[in-house]
Amino acid sequence: AQKVTQAQTEISVVEKEDVTLDCVYETRDTTYYLFWYKQPPSGELVFLIRRNSFDEQNEISGRYSWNFQKSTSSFNFTITASQVVDSAVYFCALLTRGGGADGLTFGKGTHLIIQP
Amino acid sequence: DVKVTQSSRYLVKRTGEKVFLECVQDMDHENMFWYRQDPGLGLRLIYFSYDVKMKEKGDIPEGYSVSREKKERFSLILESASTNQTSMYLCASSPDGMGKRSEAFFGQGTRLTVV
Repeated sequence: AQKVTQAQTEISVVEKEDVTLDCVYETRDTTYYLFWYKQPPSGELVFLIRRNSFDEQNEISGRYSWNFQKSTSSFNFTITASQVVDSAVYFCALLTRGGGADGLTFGKGTHLIIQP
Repeated sequence: DVKVTQSSRYLVKRTGEKVFLECVQDMDHENMFWYRQDPGLGLRLIYFSYDVKMKEKGDIPEGYSVSREKKERFSLILESASTNQTSMYLCASSPDGMGKRSEAFFGQGTRLTVV
């Protein structure tokens, strides 16, 4: 069975601080995809990144960076110099080939609050 | 621009009513999904469909059914709405799965309240 754990229910930081959102996953599949989605107050989930299980290179996109470590089954997300507009709920998700129902297995989300 | 559209942002229904939640995508995607989002529980998969007239149960299908008569439209049906179905419902679509582009695109959500 697949499982995604986001242990941080809520994080609150002051603007311009760096913040890391943790994601730990479980799967027996050797081929899988990991995702991060952002859900702003408007409700629509916005795709941020997809990483497949064979690509452990870290990725940086502007103030966002992702650290994928298969050895610890983690796919953490860091926002550098946070801004108020980063306030949202962030979901980590896992997609595998044969884990029962198709579709994404989501973590429970981390509510990130950036205070001005 | 890719788009998944859910017919209603907010909906209030009475217990026992039959409720239809509609979702339309304009990306010609094969796969469509219905999720339910509840505080502290994250997103949970209700049903998905990988082709017209095909449907598969997700993790929490009880109390729900779905219909996919056309590729672009995926409907979620609550046969007899109950208060424990008060929730945010999210529709998503994605291209063919593993080995190809696998990211899902989401609609804006329908917040359903059953009274």
